[in-house]
Amino acid sequence: GAVVSQHPSRVICKSGTSVKIECRSLDFQATTMFWYRQFPKQSLMLMATSNEGSKATYEQGVEKDKFLINHASLTLSTLTVTSAHPEDSSFYICSASGGYRGRNEQFFGPGTRLTVL
Amino acid sequence: AQTVTQSQPEMSVQEAETVTLSCTYDTSENNYYLFWYKQPPSRQMILVIRQEAYKQQNATENRFSVNFQKAAKSFSLKISDSQLGDTAMYFCGMSGANSKLTFGKGITLSVRP
Repeated sequence: GAVVSQHPSRVICKSGTSVKIECRSLDFQATTMFWYRQFPKQSLMLMATSNEGSKATYEQGVEKDKFLINHASLTLSTLTVTSAHPEDSSFYICSASGGYRGRNEQFFGPGTRLTVL
Repeated sequence: AQTVTQSQPEMSVQEAETVTLSCTYDTSENNYYLFWYKQPPSRQMILVIRQEAYKQQNATENRFSVNFQKAAKSFSLKISDSQLGDTAMYFCGMSGANSKLTFGKGITLSVRP
C-alpha cells in the first residue's frame, strides 16, 4: 500500500517558538495533501488542503497566518505552527492522495504529537 | 455541505462474536465515496473498507463488510469473528467531488477476551 511518513513523531517546544512538521509520500506522487488536527478521543478535524505548487485552502476558523502550509513538491508538504501557544498542543495528522492511487482515497501519516509548554 | 453521524460513542463485543457499527450521512452529491477507518492506540489511521456510492453491491474485506443503504443514507460496518486486535476507535467518513474527507465523531470499540 501507499506509505506516508511524518516527521517528527513528537515535539515539545516553548511558547512563542515555531515548529515545522513534514509530511512525505514515500512511494507515490501526492497531488493533494491534507492536514488534520485531532484532540484526544475526538474526531479528525480538517485544517487545510494543499495542492502541489499552489496555495493551501484553509477550512473556516483556521488561521492561515498561524498554520503555514507549503506543498513544494509532489512528495512533500510541510505544516509550520508559528508562535505556538499551549492551546496549539494537539495531534496533527497529514494525508495524501493522487496519481494512480487516487480514487478519492487518502493515505494517512502516523501523526505528530505537539506539546507547547 | 456533507455530514456524517455516528451516534454510538462506545460499543463492546465478546471475542469471536459479531458487532455492527452504525453510520448515517447526508450529501447533495450523486457521486461520492464512503469509508470506514480504524484508529488503534498507536493513532495510525488505517483504511478498513471503502464503498463507491454508484455500486449497489456491498463491499467486503475478509471479516469486515458493510450494509450500504443509499436511499436511507446509511453505511454500517459489520465485524465478524471479532478479534482483540480490532479494539480501536472507528471512524466513518465520506468524500465527494473535492476529495475532502468528512468524518463522524467516531466510536470506541472494545473487544473483550
